[in-house]
Amino acid sequence: DVKVTQSSRYLVKRTGEKVFLECVQDMDHENMFWYRQDPGLGLRLIYFSYDVKMKEKGDIPEGYSVSREKKERFSLILESASTNQTSMYLCASSLGGELTNIQYFGAGTRLSVL
Amino acid sequence: GQNIDQPTEMTATEGAIVQINCTYQTSGFNGLFWYQQHAGEAPTFLSYNVLDGLEEKGRFSSFLSRSKGYSYLLLKELQMKDSASYLCAAMDSNYQLIWGAGTKLIIKP
Repeated sequence: DVKVTQSSRYLVKRTGEKVFLECVQDMDHENMFWYRQDPGLGLRLIYFSYDVKMKEKGDIPEGYSVSREKKERFSLILESASTNQTSMYLCASSLGGELTNIQYFGAGTRLSVL
Repeated sequence: GQNIDQPTEMTATEGAIVQINCTYQTSGFNGLFWYQQHAGEAPTFLSYNVLDGLEEKGRFSSFLSRSKGYSYLLLKELQMKDSASYLCAAMDSNYQLIWGAGTKLIIKP
């Protein structure tokens, strides 16, 4: 079974703090993604990566950055957290090569910025 | 623009059949995905359609009409554990997934 693990289920941070959300997958997947999920909206893509040290902006990258130093790990960084970044953050991974491959998700990190 | 529409909430009875509709408008099209998401859990893959027609997988089936920009997920013999949100996502010409807001399905005994 594919396993995507997000380091925290719940986080509470203060405005202006630097926040790190970690995601690890154990199936040697090439592709990794960060989404945010808000009530009444579909998942929105923040950043994705097709390879180590490679990153691409998604639909809403502003206020976020990412790091992929190792194939299995994809980190999302909020440089200076703001209240409008309070959300559920979902990490996903998929096999490389075939771009229509299924995405496998972690359980999510619910971030509250106060 | 790109858009996915699906009902916000549906209610059905245990043992019955329910159909969850999804319409999409995307720049190019590379397939339609359905995911299930129980409250507080990860979305899990249910089905993928890229050709017109019906794909059956046990109690769940998914249908696609590319000409109409339409898909549905059909759930038969509903069980209480099927209470969840069902997410529709279309893959555009850049192979990015465009997600609907999800349909919350409530199953009543």
